[in-house]
Amino acid sequence: KAGVTQTPRYLIKTRGQQVTLSCSPISGHRSVSWYQQTPGQGLQFLFEYFSETQRNKGNFPGRFSGRQFSNSRSEMNVSTLELGDSALYLCASSTQSGAGETQYFGPGTRLLVL
Amino acid sequence: TQLLEQSPQFLSIQEGENLTVYCNSSSVFSSLQWYRQEPGEGPVLLVTVVTGGEVKKLKRLTFQFGDARKDSSLHITAAQPGDTGLYLCAGARPGYALNFGKGTSLLVTP
Repeated sequence: KAGVTQTPRYLIKTRGQQVTLSCSPISGHRSVSWYQQTPGQGLQFLFEYFSETQRNKGNFPGRFSGRQFSNSRSEMNVSTLELGDSALYLCASSTQSGAGETQYFGPGTRLLVL
Repeated sequence: TQLLEQSPQFLSIQEGENLTVYCNSSSVFSSLQWYRQEPGEGPVLLVTVVTGGEVKKLKRLTFQFGDARKDSSLHITAAQPGDTGLYLCAGARPGYALNFGKGTSLLVTP
């Protein structure tokens, strides 16, 4: 089975712009979670989608949003980018929703905001 | 909110040495997962521990879940350069998202 794929792998944007990141889960997985990883804060949970519904949301401002499509692929969008949004954005898929489920991570999208 | 404290933050050792990484919290978890992340890649699950006091062995890696299910440790015997990476613990609680520690960055030199 193919693993979790994320596109693009690298992205450079300027402050004020917006960005959309894409995640394709493992075939058959219906849950997709998004995380932001920075050296200072570590891995922080953004949100989880299961069967096109947002199941859980982390403590991030409304500039961060996401969605999931009927084929389980997910996108996250960040509007009005700030310098502090520079990070590695990881998505993870699992068969079911819930923190106890085994999560399979993609390689991440590294976003640099200038 | 980060509920899990990992220590040490950084560890640099020579091949063949033993080491222990700790993951502590004041919160109780229903299970605890350990991941390893290598540069340029996403974290990969090593093990999940579920029962208080549980010990799991994966070749040279030994994982222990505290009796009260608030803490865990990872012990590596005879470390090898291939063990180099960022070790992350993550706690699961019903109704909440998986909560990650900040990780322990391990470097094993030949």
